[in-house]
Amino acid sequence: AQSVTQLDSHVSVSEGTPVLLRCNYSSSYSPSLFWYVQHPNKGLQLLLKYTSAATLVKGINGFEAEFKKSETSFHLTKPSAHMSDAAEYFCVVSNYNQGGKLIFGQGTELSVKP
Amino acid sequence: EAGVVQSPRYKIIEKKQPVAFWCNPISGHNTLYWYLQNLGQGPELLIRYENEEAVDDSQLPKDRFSAERLKGVDSTLKIQPAELGDSAVYLCASSLHGTSFLSNEQFFGPGTRLTVL
Repeated sequence: AQSVTQLDSHVSVSEGTPVLLRCNYSSSYSPSLFWYVQHPNKGLQLLLKYTSAATLVKGINGFEAEFKKSETSFHLTKPSAHMSDAAEYFCVVSNYNQGGKLIFGQGTELSVKP
Repeated sequence: EAGVVQSPRYKIIEKKQPVAFWCNPISGHNTLYWYLQNLGQGPELLIRYENEEAVDDSQLPKDRFSAERLKGVDSTLKIQPAELGDSAVYLCASSLHGTSFLSNEQFFGPGTRLTVL
């Protein structure tokens, strides 16, 4: 069985400071891992994905994530937060053997203070 | 290129009434998904279509929920009758292929927010 745990339901940072959103996963197979962002009243947008290539994955808007198999983690980071980064972020695990079904975490709400 | 289109964006109904949601996926996308997103939670898959065939409907409450994708393009999700607990956001997504490992990126619509009174 697959599952995702996002360790923080809410993270607050100041503009210009680093962002860290934590995610741990559980998977019986080699997983694919994703981060999606959801702005209010907008659809989910893919930030980045890991599909067994490079363990450090770069995404859009300056975000990146590192796949650490030994720690079963896939934390999302950004060096410097921008006001427009305020949104809900979802860590997602998927497995090819299950038809690519996405299993979402419960989400982390990111607030950015001026 | 147009994204995934959903309508209506908002719907308010009384319990026991029927309701329907419509989704038009990105042109050329063979796979279509319906998700349920409760407040404060991540989306959960209700049903997945490959063209017109429902290949995974294990999470769809079939006593009151139904879905169709008759021509393998747009899709309708229906609830009859609606219950208070059905209040949530219903998301539609599409992808080029459902089983292709590298190209199964799912593109999401804005969702329909349902309120059952």
